[in-house]
Amino acid sequence: DTGVSQNPRHKITKRGQNVTFRCDPISEHNRLYWYRQTLGQGPEFLTYFQNEAQLEKSRLLSDRFSAERPKGSFSTLEIQRTEQGDSAMYLCASSFSGGGAFFGQGTRLTVV
Amino acid sequence: DAKTTQPNSMESNEEEPVHLPCNHSTISGTDYIHWYRQLPSQGPEYVIHGLTSNVNNRMASLAIAEDRKSSTLILHRATLRDAAVYYCIPPNQAGTALIFGKGTTLSVSS
Repeated sequence: DTGVSQNPRHKITKRGQNVTFRCDPISEHNRLYWYRQTLGQGPEFLTYFQNEAQLEKSRLLSDRFSAERPKGSFSTLEIQRTEQGDSAMYLCASSFSGGGAFFGQGTRLTVV
Repeated sequence: DAKTTQPNSMESNEEEPVHLPCNHSTISGTDYIHWYRQLPSQGPEYVIHGLTSNVNNRMASLAIAEDRKSSTLILHRATLRDAAVYYCIPPNQAGTALIFGKGTTLSVSS
């Protein structure tokens, strides 16, 4: 197993466009998390899945953000109508229930 | 959610032990207490987690107070590569998501 994989690693998009990121967790990990991180700040929780069920979603997450984990394996995070304030590193992590979470390398989004 | 208090920063010398404290006096729930760290320009890295008793692994030790209202991450011999932001994450009543705070920035000098 090569760990948590995120694609793409970098994304530059124009304001107003939609973007989608993919996360492939460690095999058999039932929990999957999405975070956003900007420079100098800690990771900000976005949403969390247990298997295919989205159990928690941050109140800070606007309706432009949506995440799916259709078969309980990989997950996608979509941002619609991107804004410059969405520029950040988007991190994915996975874990077993009760276990430590392992993070991917992240997708760096730049909205121009 | 559990309010977490960590020192903003700490300093250590190489080869010396480091004790990183975390106060989570409003802890609720019975889930694990997690610690992560983030090295410069890298994603967060799992360090250790525990429930009630002290835990050890190859990276660190975790001492958990009997009432679970505080915990201490122990690096037995700090190295320059241990310079990072260390995050303590207690369980939160709202759910089981891992919520990061501001963490403690550890500096290690040679």
